[in-house]
Amino acid sequence: GEDVEQSLFLSVREGDSSVINCTYTDSSSTYLYWYKQEPGAGLQLLTYIFSNMDMKQDQRLTVLLNKKDKHLSLRIADTQTGDSAIYFCAEPSMDTGRRALTFGSGTRLQVQP
Amino acid sequence: SAVISQKPSRDICQRGTSLTIQCQVDSQVTMMFWYRQQPGQSLTLIATANQGSEATYESGFVIDKFPISRPNLTFSTLTVSNMSPEDSSIYLCSVEDLPGEQFFGPGTRLTVL
Repeated sequence: GEDVEQSLFLSVREGDSSVINCTYTDSSSTYLYWYKQEPGAGLQLLTYIFSNMDMKQDQRLTVLLNKKDKHLSLRIADTQTGDSAIYFCAEPSMDTGRRALTFGSGTRLQVQP
Repeated sequence: SAVISQKPSRDICQRGTSLTIQCQVDSQVTMMFWYRQQPGQSLTLIATANQGSEATYESGFVIDKFPISRPNLTFSTLTVSNMSPEDSSIYLCSVEDLPGEQFFGPGTRLTVL
């Protein structure tokens, strides 16, 4: 089965950039996802990238995709305290015909004032 | 984007009882998914619910423990049966709206005493 890996924790100062990294396993994944989960809340789809793209930018968010290394990253510019949350990367699950998702362990981002 | 609601939002239940969680979507979707998020953990897929057919369960999850209904294209239920404290988790439903866009409900926080 798939194994999506992330580092567990990242701490940054307010105003700095945050970079959250992820490695995935399925080289044929069509989409790759980033979700945000704030304390006590559900899962919010932040952004996703189609596999034929190397980069996607959406306001403060930049997603970089390195298909050769199966590496995905999420950069948050000008990180704010409101960005403190757990960030999950996810890829479609081969076991479900690439319909459901396999999630990484999540990276807890702590933003210090 | 699809708007998903879940009921109840949280519950505290006694060991040995059952709880049925409802998931309602504001548009018709072919596939709905049920996930579990144990405390401090990532999300794990329980099953895929298709309208008009039996749910497809992932390894480690069985229909007797987690029966699922999918009576129409906007609604599904997940029952957690004969609960034990180990079932304490957040249960989330999700749908694929447009290709590549997978949205999650707010989750149901279950505590089993």
